[in-house]
Amino acid sequence: DAKTTQPPSMDCAEGRAANLPCNHSTISGNEYVYWYRQIHSQGPQYIIHGLKNNETNEMASLIITEDRKSSTLILPHATLRDTAVYYCIVILGTNAGKSTFGDGTTLTVKP
Amino acid sequence: EPEVTQTPSHQVTQMGQEVILRCVPISNHLYFYWYRQILGQKVEFLVSFYNNEISEKSEIFDDQFSVERPDGSNFTLKIRSTKLEDSAMYFCASSPTLGWGAEAFFGQGTRLTVV
Repeated sequence: DAKTTQPPSMDCAEGRAANLPCNHSTISGNEYVYWYRQIHSQGPQYIIHGLKNNETNEMASLIITEDRKSSTLILPHATLRDTAVYYCIVILGTNAGKSTFGDGTTLTVKP
Repeated sequence: EPEVTQTPSHQVTQMGQEVILRCVPISNHLYFYWYRQILGQKVEFLVSFYNNEISEKSEIFDDQFSVERPDGSNFTLKIRSTKLEDSAMYFCASSPTLGWGAEAFFGQGTRLTVV
């Protein structure tokens, strides 16, 4: 699985977009980028995943650079309930589920 | 929204005792997982289970651990002789397909405290 690098912490103002970066320069062609989050040591929660194309769902958008060496998770209108640890995980599709999460980024949304 | 249910939410046990952590995965899911998270550390993969057998396990999942799907609905993790270092949050997850996809769900976890 490709190694990922995320900033340890970020702040965001409530109502503003939160942009969380992830570097994965060793990603291989068939590895997916997954984003999960964990709120207050609860169970991890799926946010979004993608392979090459940008993706959007009701929670977030995922922007993957053309060379696939980095990506950005965008929470368009952050709320206080989005305060959590966000994990970027790069893994082969069939191996997803068998990975250890990294350190992630602690996002603090402030009023 | 469907959910994975774990019981108990908190278990305290004495060192050397056996514990069984229980999980009810989402009903039409076929792949099941256990993870642990020691306080302040990473979420670590323990084991995956499919078609009534272990499909993959990590180095952490040694002979002290076992998993079972005893009745087609529950999925259990047994630790035979607990050690202090087994104290952690244990998360169960399930997915309908191999790998996570967009439909993998985690339970809220069982906090195991070994004293």
